[in-house]
Amino acid sequence: AQSVTQLDSQVPVFEEAPVELRCNYSSSVSVYLFWYVQYPNQGLQLLLKYLSGSTLVKGINGFEAEFNKSQTSFHLRKPSVHISDTAEYFCAVSDQGDDKIIFGKGTRLHILP
Amino acid sequence: DSGVTQTPKHLITATGQRVTLRCSPRSGDLSVYWYQQSLDQGLQFLIQYYNGEERAKGNILERFSAQQFPDLHSELNLSSLELGDSALYFCASSVGFVDEQFFGPGTRLTVL
Repeated sequence: AQSVTQLDSQVPVFEEAPVELRCNYSSSVSVYLFWYVQYPNQGLQLLLKYLSGSTLVKGINGFEAEFNKSQTSFHLRKPSVHISDTAEYFCAVSDQGDDKIIFGKGTRLHILP
Repeated sequence: DSGVTQTPKHLITATGQRVTLRCSPRSGDLSVYWYQQSLDQGLQFLIQYYNGEERAKGNILERFSAQQFPDLHSELNLSSLELGDSALYFCASSVGFVDEQFFGPGTRLTVL
């Protein structure tokens, strides 16, 4: 069965520094990949998604992610973080042909002043 | 505002009781998903409905059930509640199957 691993439960980073949040999935079959963000006391919202095509995906708020099939990874990056990026970030994967989306346990991003 | 509404926002009840959580999807969305979010388990997919029919099932306990009505709103019924059922329950909706999901604000359930 498909599973998602977010290696870091918390990532502290200074404001205006770059950040990478790591995500690996278990199955190498064709997949759809997602990153969602959850701001404090809110529901999740989509940051970006990979369905097919270019392996570099650009999302909202300056985030991007790269799909690496050989590494079964979909790491999220931002070149310069802002205090407003403080949130929990969830990686999610769905096997093509399966309606279920499996979420990782989340990575809490702490922005340090 | 995602366009997905959930009621109630908070619910406090006792062990052994039964509760119903309600979700109204975005206008035009046919798929509704239910998730449970807790500190120890993270975000767990429970069940998905598409246009009134159950489409996919995740880690949903037998004490839990859901349905989607002809007007596309959905209800999640939780019965014989246990302390461990305390969690945030999110509803999400999407147009089709593997589309962007729009999440509601959640219902926080506390079982005492």
